[in-house]
Order: sequence, then C-alpha cells, then structure tokens
Amino acid sequence: GQSLEQPSEVTAVEGAIVQINCTYQTSGFYGLSWYQQHDGGAPTFLSYNALDGLEETGRFSSFLSRSDSYGYLLLQELQMKDSASYFCAVRDNFNKFYFGSGTKLNVKP
Amino acid sequence: DSGVTQTPKHLITATGQRVTLRCSPRSGDLSVYWYQQSLDQGLQFLIQYYNGEERAKGNILERFSAQQFPDLHSELNLSSLELGDSALYFCASSVGLAGAPHEQFFGPGTRLTVL
Repeated sequence: GQSLEQPSEVTAVEGAIVQINCTYQTSGFYGLSWYQQHDGGAPTFLSYNALDGLEETGRFSSFLSRSDSYGYLLLQELQMKDSASYFCAVRDNFNKFYFGSGTKLNVKP
Repeated sequence: DSGVTQTPKHLITATGQRVTLRCSPRSGDLSVYWYQQSLDQGLQFLIQYYNGEERAKGNILERFSAQQFPDLHSELNLSSLELGDSALYFCASSVGLAGAPHEQFFGPGTRLTVL
C-alpha cells in the first residue's frame, strides 16, 4: 500500500539549517509535495518536485531521488516563525492523495 | 487567504448526532477534496468531487458522505458521531483534476469536537 515516512520531531536553533526527510511508497508517482502547517491552521504549499534534483524557493529547497523513493525539505536561515509541522505528500494511480504524519519543527532562539 | 471557505469554523456536538460541514471552492475551481486530520496526525484523504461527480474515494467511513452541488459548493455529512470523529476537517479545491497535492488549495478547516 501507500506510505510516507517522516521523522516526528526536529529541533534546531534560529539561523541554522535543518533537513526534513521523507521516504515514500506509492503505486505510480506524480511528484512529491511539501506543506507547512502552523498549529490549528491550514496546510500551505511550500515546494514540489516532479523530477530528480533540487528545487529552490527562497529559504526553502526540496530534493527528490525517485530511484531511492526519497526526498527532503531543506530550510535555511531558520526563523522562529518556521516553527510548525511539515508534511510530504504524494498522489497514487487511483487519484488518491497521501500525506505523511508530519514533522514538528521546533526553532529555538 | 486561499479563497476556499469553510463553515462553520468550530462545531461541538454529542455522540450519535449528525452534522454537515460546508465548503465553497475558489472561484473557477471545479474539484473539491475533503480531508480529516486527527490530533497530531497527518491529513487523511476522504473523498474528491469534480464538477458534481465523485472521482476518488479514500478511507471514508460509511457513516460519512459528501456531495457537490451545481454551484460547486460541497457538503460533508457525518452521522452517528463517535468520540474518535473529533478532528479538523479540511476542504481543498483545484481548477481541474489535481495531478499532485500541490495543485490543491486548502480552506481554514472546521474543528469538530464530539463530546
């Protein structure tokens, strides 16, 4: 079946760099998406990889290796406002969408 | 603001009851998706509608049902509510049939509490 694995929690200090990994298993592959969600808020789209390699969007970058069924989200120059949960997500061959259980990022001063 | 609206924002009800959650997609979007997010969990895909037709179904319980109306708004009906149904319910919309999750825009959610 479909599954996505992410670390449950990561802690880093302000100004540092943090990497959040995601391994996935799905029938068919249509890209890996990353979302940010603050407590009680709606998920907001951060980054998307359809092909292998690195995609950069400001302080956020995302990487994909399809042969390894693996991707990561890289957050640079961490700010306190980056404290949130981060989810990776995929779609399968049956138009169903799957989200990982989320990685809670704690940014400390 | 994604342009997707959901009502109500909060809902408190008792076990055994039935509730209806409403979603209005972004202007021009034809697809609506419903997700359930239990405490400290990821989003669980429930169901997708495209232009009034059901297109994909996830792990939606038989006690739950949804529909999309001609004006494209959607309603999620939850019946015989149990304590475990307490969760955030998100609606998302996309222009067409989303090829990937990032094409979906999420509403602010409805927090359902079952007592």
